[in-house]
Amino acid sequence: EDQVTQSPEALRLQEGESSSLNCSYTVSGLRGLFWYRQDPGKGPEFLFTLYSAGEEKEKERLKATLTKKESFLHITAPKPEDSATYLCAATGLGGATNKLIFGTGTLLAVQP
Amino acid sequence: SQTIHQWPATLVQPVGSPLSLECTVEGTSNPNLYWYRQAAGRGLQLLFYSVGIGQISSEVPQNLSASRPQDRQFILSSKKLLLSDSGFYLCAWSRTLGTQYFGPGTRLTVL
Repeated sequence: EDQVTQSPEALRLQEGESSSLNCSYTVSGLRGLFWYRQDPGKGPEFLFTLYSAGEEKEKERLKATLTKKESFLHITAPKPEDSATYLCAATGLGGATNKLIFGTGTLLAVQP
Repeated sequence: SQTIHQWPATLVQPVGSPLSLECTVEGTSNPNLYWYRQAAGRGLQLLFYSVGIGQISSEVPQNLSASRPQDRQFILSSKKLLLSDSGFYLCAWSRTLGTQYFGPGTRLTVL
């Protein structure tokens, strides 16, 4: 069964303290690995799509990387406004539905 | 650019009452459309998806249904709500097999 697991469930950082969020996946024939940011009471905001192992993408203080078994979201010198829940999702070759399998997210709190 | 709308933003309904949530997309044609539910502490669960007008596929058996009367309109319905239907409902769109983009969501509380 396709599965996505995120760790840690929650992470508290001091402003400027860099860290990484983990997303482990078991998906048959990965077609895409997605990262979203979700603020309380709002819909997920798209951040990155990764398609193949070794791929990296960056946006401001965020950098996403992908291996054959997991993805990391690296946060460099975070600021309080980076506080949010970060969701990871994957889609595989199981049908034409473009079905996303989501992890339960990492709640990030960045303290000033 | 593309925009996705959902309404209402919040809804409080009694058990046994009907439900209708609406989602519309602007700025694109023939999108794939999706309904998800997000429960506290759990990941997003795909409920329905549609690849075209009148074409609906259900992922999870339940007392909810979906319809797509127009190319860019997706409706989630129920004839009789249950307490377990409470949650945060999200609509999303994508181009065929591409990245999914989410709407602002509807918070449903069933009392």
